[in-house]
Amino acid sequence: DVKVTQSSRYLVKRTGEKVFLECVQDMDHENMFWYRQDPGLGLRLIYFSYDVKMKEKGDIPEGYSVSREKKERFSLILESASTNQTSMYLCASSSPVGAPYEQYFGPGTRLTVT
Amino acid sequence: EDKVVQSPLSLVVHEGDTVTLNCSYEVTNFRSLLWYKQEKKAPTFLFMLTSSGIEKKSGRLSSILDKKELFSILNITATQTGDSAVYLCAVGTSGTYKYIFGTGTRLKVLA
Repeated sequence: DVKVTQSSRYLVKRTGEKVFLECVQDMDHENMFWYRQDPGLGLRLIYFSYDVKMKEKGDIPEGYSVSREKKERFSLILESASTNQTSMYLCASSSPVGAPYEQYFGPGTRLTVT
Repeated sequence: EDKVVQSPLSLVVHEGDTVTLNCSYEVTNFRSLLWYKQEKKAPTFLFMLTSSGIEKKSGRLSSILDKKELFSILNITATQTGDSAVYLCAVGTSGTYKYIFGTGTRLKVLA
C-alpha cells in the first residue's frame, strides 16, 4: 500500500512566522503535490513537483514555496504566514504521467495562523 | 478555463436510500476522471474512469462516465451511515500531471 505521511496533523502558528510542512511518500513516486482545501472552494493546487529539484506552480502559489531535495520528500514553505493561509493542507503523490494514474493523499495538516 | 462542477453540494438521506452524485466537466484534452471519498481525513480513492459507458463497481458503489455529455455519476445503493462523507470528483488532462477538483458533494446518511 502506498503511504503518504505528513509531519503534523495540527499546527498553530503566529502571523509572520516561517512555516514548514513536510510530506514523505514511500512508493518511489515521481510526482508530488501540495493542495489546500477550504470550505466551498474544494482542493486547490499550490505547487507540484515531477522530479527531484523540479517544481511547477499550481493555481495558487502566492505566499508559498516548495523544496524537493529527495524523491520521497516534498516540503511546503510559508515564508511569512498570514491569517488567510489558515487551511487544511493535503499532500499527494502519484506515478508518472503517460498512463492514467491516481493520486494518493496524506492525512492532511490543519494549519491555523493567529 | 478548465472546470469541474459537482452537484448537489450536499445531500441528506436515510439508511437504505439510493443516491446519485453528479460530476460535470469542461476541460481540454480529457484523460481520466477520479472519484474520492473523504471523511475527516485524507481523500481515499474510489474509482478511475477513462472510457465512456463502462461501469466501474465496488460493492454498493458504482460509477460511469459519459465523455460525449462530459459528466460522470457515482451511485451508492442501500446507503449506510458509514457512507457519510464528502465525495470528490477530479479530472486529469493529457500532457499535465495536474488534476482539477470539484468542490465536492457532502453526503449525510441518517440512521
